[in-house]
Amino acid sequence: AQSVTQLGSHVSVSEGALVLLRCNYSSSVPPYLFWYVQYPNQGLQLLLKYTTGATLVKGINGFEAEFKKSETSFHLTKPSAHMSDAAEYFCAVMDSNSGYALNFGKGTSLLVTP
Amino acid sequence: NAGVMQNPRHLVRRRGQEARLRCSPMKGHSHVYWYRQLPEEGLKFMVYLQKENIIDESGMPKERFSAEFPKEGPSILRIQQVVRGDSAAYFCASSGLEVETQYFGPGTRLLVL
Repeated sequence: AQSVTQLGSHVSVSEGALVLLRCNYSSSVPPYLFWYVQYPNQGLQLLLKYTTGATLVKGINGFEAEFKKSETSFHLTKPSAHMSDAAEYFCAVMDSNSGYALNFGKGTSLLVTP
Repeated sequence: NAGVMQNPRHLVRRRGQEARLRCSPMKGHSHVYWYRQLPEEGLKFMVYLQKENIIDESGMPKERFSAEFPKEGPSILRIQQVVRGDSAAYFCASSGLEVETQYFGPGTRLLVL
């Protein structure tokens, strides 16, 4: 079964600094990968997804992620952090056996300091 | 253009009571998924339903949990005789035919006393 591991349960950056949230996946087949953001007491919002094609994926709110097969990674980046980016971020991979169930990582809490 | 709706947002139950969680998918969506988020954990798939059909309930505990998505009305996740370990956030998602693009509701946070 496919799985993802998010390195670092908490990440703190200064406003204006680069945001880098790490996600590594395990899959024996080409994976479908996702990043979701969860603001306090809200549902998950899809930031971006990789299915096939271009390995650099651009999402909403200035985020992007690059699929690197050689490193089995799908790290999320943003050049300049805003205070409003503070939230919980989840990486997920689609289970290829079902074709619909998402397997989520444990999440990374992003703190942005002034 | 309403998104996925869930109610209640917060639910408190005592051990042994029943919990009913409701989910209305996005307009035009006929695929519904339920996920559970335990404290300090990522979301775990529970069940996938289409109208009047359970497609996959492999992630649901075998006892006390059931789900339905009737022809009319919202999808219901039902937990009978709740225990403290059922305390979690329960999220519903919906999709159209493109099942890899799932839209999530705000969740129901269940607390069992």
